[in-house]
Amino acid sequence: EPEVTQTPSHQVTQMGQEVILRCVPISNHLYFYWYRQILGQKVEFLVSFYNNEISEKSEIFDDQFSVERPDGSNFTLKIRSTKLEDSAMYFCASARDPGGEKLFFGSGTQLSVL
Amino acid sequence: GENVEQHPSTLSVQEGDSAVIKCTYSDSASNYFPWYKQELGKRPQLIIDIRSNVGEKKDQRIAVTLNKTAKHFSLHITETQPEDSAVYFCAASKSRDNDMRFGAGTRLTVKP
Repeated sequence: EPEVTQTPSHQVTQMGQEVILRCVPISNHLYFYWYRQILGQKVEFLVSFYNNEISEKSEIFDDQFSVERPDGSNFTLKIRSTKLEDSAMYFCASARDPGGEKLFFGSGTQLSVL
Repeated sequence: GENVEQHPSTLSVQEGDSAVIKCTYSDSASNYFPWYKQELGKRPQLIIDIRSNVGEKKDQRIAVTLNKTAKHFSLHITETQPEDSAVYFCAASKSRDNDMRFGAGTRLTVKP
């Protein structure tokens, strides 16, 4: 079964540093998402991406965040200057159809900001 | 944006009993309602979903019901087994938008 893959699985960084989280969505999917989950809490929507542009973003996704699809396979989330409160599990997800239907999640990147 | 409320936050049942988790949503235009299961340390995985033109959907021991008028939907698990123990999340979205929002989750524990 095809999977969404994410790298790295764990990322430790110092506060103020830039991080890039990488994802390879399922190959025939067109809609891409980033979610985050602080330990023990809900899955929070960050941003969705379609046709090489952001289609929706949440209040969490401020100017410190950016997304990019640099080539035909990768989908990245960049946090420009990390804060302690950015520590969370970041999940990439992809879907073939709009509206989050049949969303497939990657295994996540655990980001720890020290 | 859409606001999804989920109850209860924790639920403990005996093996073989039924479990019911309830969610409400705020945006009457939402038309897609999935349920995800997340085991400890793992990714959320879709277990069942329902569209707004359907009132109920069943898949073996799992069923979801939707009341559009009241804007609530529920997950029903029958004959629970210890391996059903996990956190369950409901979610809601509109097909024309791509910002599916999740409920806060329900930690289900099935005691053998």
